[in-house]
Amino acid sequence: DSGVTQTPKHLITATGQRVTLRCSPRSGDLSVYWYQQSLDQGLQFLIHYYNGEERAKGNILERFSAQQFPDLHSELNLSSLELGDSALYFCASSAQGGGLYGYTFGSGTRLTVV
Amino acid sequence: QQQVKQSPQSLIVQKGGISIINCAYENTAFDYFPWYQQFPGKGPALLIAIRPDVSEKKEGRFTISFNKSAKQFSLHIMDSQPGDSATYFCAAISSGSARQLTFGSGTQLTVLP
Repeated sequence: DSGVTQTPKHLITATGQRVTLRCSPRSGDLSVYWYQQSLDQGLQFLIHYYNGEERAKGNILERFSAQQFPDLHSELNLSSLELGDSALYFCASSAQGGGLYGYTFGSGTRLTVV
Repeated sequence: QQQVKQSPQSLIVQKGGISIINCAYENTAFDYFPWYQQFPGKGPALLIAIRPDVSEKKEGRFTISFNKSAKQFSLHIMDSQPGDSATYFCAAISSGSARQLTFGSGTQLTVLP
């Protein structure tokens, strides 16, 4: 157990729908990062939050949004889902902005859009 | 723009052999280079990492070689074991407060018994 908890582990939904993925970082970690992993795109950085504030955006679609709450858990909201959004979504956390030892990843949420 | 290029895409090695995975980067703002190991159904896990002021780092059977002038680094797995079969990602972290992690495309390693 990495200490980073992601729920749900699996999610199957239809095109056009909206889903919310949840991430609880390791105890004490202030930073949360979201990554999308697909077969053809590898691990793509989506967004970074630090202590409730957005720090950086990567290749995140406008249909996607995220937030980090006062208890430091984070949610990634995906709307108007398309077949191409099917992927593994990982959350990672770190004490500060990445730190000396990089990030700790959760086990991911596998999203299937049908 | 792919900032970290990784090769090969897949690698098959006999048990006891040496596995070598290569990466190259372009952005000179990168200041930390971790390698991650990912098993099916799991998230990437930090394996070993190196700073650019060090040319080599060894941890057990895993060694990173770093060539700053060529902007290249590689992972060597000595005495490869079937349990090492996984996907390996090189990565780079950029300097600055965001410390964003940029991944290579991954190498699927299979170690035959």
